[in-house]
Amino acid sequence: AQTVTQSQPEMSVQEAETVTLSCTYDTSESNYYLFWYKQPPSRQMILVIRQEAYKQQNATENRFSVNFQKAAKSFSLKISDSQLGDTAMYFCAFMTRNAGGTSYGKLTFGQGTILTVHP
Amino acid sequence: DTEVTQTPKHLVMGMTNKKSLKCEQHMGHRAMYWYKQKAKKPPELMFVYSYEKLSINESVPSRFSPECPNSSLLNLHLHALQPEDSALYLCASSQGLQTYEQYFGPGTRLTVT
Repeated sequence: AQTVTQSQPEMSVQEAETVTLSCTYDTSESNYYLFWYKQPPSRQMILVIRQEAYKQQNATENRFSVNFQKAAKSFSLKISDSQLGDTAMYFCAFMTRNAGGTSYGKLTFGQGTILTVHP
Repeated sequence: DTEVTQTPKHLVMGMTNKKSLKCEQHMGHRAMYWYKQKAKKPPELMFVYSYEKLSINESVPSRFSPECPNSSLLNLHLHALQPEDSALYLCASSQGLQTYEQYFGPGTRLTVT
């Protein structure tokens, strides 16, 4: 079974500054996806960024980038130029690509990090 | 249209009531999911449908009964719920189980009295 750990229950950052959210995971799988999902106070969960485990290059999406360290099983999210609209709960999540496993199709979430961006 | 809709937004029900939650998507996705989410906690997977067939049941109590009438619709029938079942119920969809991105609906806030 997979586990995902987010060690920072809450974080805060000033507008326009940079913040990094941590995530570690444990798995015996070699082929998987990692995600960061964002859930603002309005509740709708949206995908921020994804990383395929077989890709060495770190994924980026505009102000969002990841630092993927496969050997260390670490997957942190960096938010640059933080904006008030980035205030949300952020979930790190794992999904196996192994179609034969019992976890196929399941997202395993971390406990989440509440990020508050201050003006 | 990249939207998953859920109705109702809020629901209050007694422990003897029967109610249903509805989820709809028109993205042609063939996998649909029900999650339960408590405040400040991650979503917990309840059920997964793939091509309108129940693929995963995470040992959910029988007072929750899912139904997938067609590829666009997913229902969750509720009966004899307990106060601890009060939560946000999220629906999600994806192109298939093998597809990485799940699109989430806004959720139904359920209160059991």
